Amino acid sequence: QQQVKQSPQSLIVQKGGISIINCAYENTAFDYFPWYQQFPGKGPALLIAIRPDVSEKKEGRFTISFNKSAKQFSLHIMDSQPGDSATYFCAASYSGNQFYFGTGTSLTVIP
Amino acid sequence: KAGVTQTPRYLIKTRGQQVTLSCSPISGHRSVSWYQQTPGQGLQFLFEYFSETQRNKGNFPGRFSGRQFSNSRSEMNVSTLELGDSALYLCASRPGPGGETQYFGPGTRLLVL
Repeated sequence: QQQVKQSPQSLIVQKGGISIINCAYENTAFDYFPWYQQFPGKGPALLIAIRPDVSEKKEGRFTISFNKSAKQFSLHIMDSQPGDSATYFCAASYSGNQFYFGTGTSLTVIP
Repeated sequence: KAGVTQTPRYLIKTRGQQVTLSCSPISGHRSVSWYQQTPGQGLQFLFEYFSETQRNKGNFPGRFSGRQFSNSRSEMNVSTLELGDSALYLCASRPGPGGETQYFGPGTRLLVL
């Protein structure tokens, strides 16, 4: 059973556009929600993370929106650039235990 | 600080063989987790070790095992390889359990023929 469901599987965005990736979870005990970025041939790297006590967190062009009642969270990439082309994974964990990952979104930003 | 290192980077095995993968965490990190990454499945948690003890285990068959040494380096072993074991195996380290940020290595690409 997939604890964290991620969509879409792939996404194509024009340069300068907004990329939006969505995730949903079931376990209300989750208390930490990170997003990872992975380039080909590399391991995933932490991009941005949020805790459920805030509804939004912004770091540069990257924003996490969190909806606790709907058990959903999303990543918004503003002014998307070709260098943002990568695979993005959402994840969730509770009390520092194991992380549950989404299935990933392959983002392509076309110039 | 040097990042997480994994060896070997690429490996080709045949069905029925066994394989051992190695992971050296970031210096000072004592928690090591292993993940299997396949297209469409994302990252599937295998197990986590802390202070040489398995702390958590994912839903994988007993053919998948691991261990951690006193210097925090970790190995995972897969016995009786199956075609479906072909995947990228990722290792991640963090200072200890409860540490929020995991740092991933580049992975070992395993191909089973």
